[in-house]
Amino acid sequence: EIVMTQSPATLSVSPGERATLSCRASQSVSNNLAWYQQKPGQAPWLLIYGASTRATGIPARFSGSGSGTEFTLTISSLQSEDFAVYYCQQYDIWPQTFGQGTKVEIK
Amino acid sequence: EVELLESGGGVVRPGGSLRLSCAASGFAFDDYGMSWVRQAPGTGLEWVSGLNWNGVSTGYVDSVKGRFTISRDNARNSLYLQMNRLRTEDSAVYYCARGGLGYYMDVWGKGTTVTVSS
Repeated sequence: EIVMTQSPATLSVSPGERATLSCRASQSVSNNLAWYQQKPGQAPWLLIYGASTRATGIPARFSGSGSGTEFTLTISSLQSEDFAVYYCQQYDIWPQTFGQGTKVEIK
Repeated sequence: EVELLESGGGVVRPGGSLRLSCAASGFAFDDYGMSWVRQAPGTGLEWVSGLNWNGVSTGYVDSVKGRFTISRDNARNSLYLQMNRLRTEDSAVYYCARGGLGYYMDVWGKGTTVTVSS
């Protein structure tokens, strides 16, 4: 199966600052890569699909980039509601696999 | 409003069985593939199983193959996960999600908790 590796495990950021999260695939997944946000006690929420397309209703401060094996999620100016865990997921090859998550916490 | 509502979780002994259900509303259920994703306490997300719009194509993570069976009833707008020979490591919150089998998951239920313990 394809292994997805996210870095860093934890990112400490001040409100208003930029956050950059990385996701690496063990083999190419083309652009079949999604990002999800999960807050404590809640279900995941789709942010980005196709590596760079924002899902419906997702603010423009969230952007995704990359293809093949290297992907990035950027949050341009962190708001209080953005502190959460973020997961990348490849849906190119079965079984679909998630990264282990990056926790974005308040600095 | 698009909604997925899981049910059927509970406490079961190792070796036991449970059947999870997911009721879909607010969208054309038979237009979409569906998936089950689980999250063990304090850990990340694991895709468990998925199927296409008519249930003909199914997929499973290796750890559940031969024990879990995914199915759907489009007439009832419902998704199911039959879980047999449960193990302690199957304990998790199980989420129903729209998408999977080559698609991202754009709608998620709130989850149902499965605890496997003696």
